[in-house]
Amino acid sequence: DVKVTQSSRYLVKRTGEKVFLECVQDMDHENMFWYRQDPGLGLRLIYFSYDVKMKEKGDIPEGYSVSREKKERFSLILESASTNQTSMYLCASTPAGGVEKLFFGSGTQLSVL
Amino acid sequence: LAKTTQPVSMDSYEGQEVNITCSHNNIATNDYITWYQQFPSQGPRFIIQGYKTKVTNEVASLFIPADRKSSTLSLPRVSLSDTAVYYCLVGDDRGSTLGRLYFGRGTQLTVWP
Repeated sequence: DVKVTQSSRYLVKRTGEKVFLECVQDMDHENMFWYRQDPGLGLRLIYFSYDVKMKEKGDIPEGYSVSREKKERFSLILESASTNQTSMYLCASTPAGGVEKLFFGSGTQLSVL
Repeated sequence: LAKTTQPVSMDSYEGQEVNITCSHNNIATNDYITWYQQFPSQGPRFIIQGYKTKVTNEVASLFIPADRKSSTLSLPRVSLSDTAVYYCLVGDDRGSTLGRLYFGRGTQLTVWP
C-alpha cells in the first residue's frame, strides 16, 4: 500500500515564524499536492507538483511556497506564519497520467499563535 | 472547470442503504468521477471511481446515468463506522485537471444506531 507520511501530526508556531511542513511518499509518484482544510470550506489546493523541481500554484498560494528537490519529498513553507494560516494541512500524491487514486497523509494540524 | 454539488449533510440508521447524489453539469468527455471518504482527523481515502454506467466494489456502488451530469454513491447496509464526510470529484485521465480537482465541502453522513 502507498504510504504518504507527514512529518508532524500537530504543530504550534508563533506569528512571524518560518514553518516547514514535510511530506514523503514511498510509491515513486510523480504528482504531489498540498491542501488545507478548514471547517465549512472543504479542501482547498495550495500548490501541486508534477515532477521534481516543478510546481504549480493552486487556488490559495498566497503566503506559501513549496520545494520539491527529490521525487519522494514535497515541502510546504510558510515564510512568515500568520494566525489565519491556522489549519489542517494535507499532503497527497498520485501517479502520472491523471486522476487516479489520490493518496493522502494523515494531516498536520497547525496552530499559529 | 468541473465543479460538483452535493448535499451538505445526510442522516441514516444502521442497516439502511444510503445514496448520495453528486451533480456535475460541466463534466467533460475525458473526466472520471471519483468518490472519497474522510473520517475526522484523517486524510480522505479513495472509495470508488467510474466513467459511465455502474461500478461496484467491496465497499460501495457508483451509478452514472448516460448523460453523466450526475452520479450516485450507494452504500449498502451502513454501520456507525460509515459516519464520515464523502467527497465527489471529477477529473480527466490525462492529468490536465491535476490542479483543478475540486473537493468542495462534501456530504457529512451521520449514521445513527
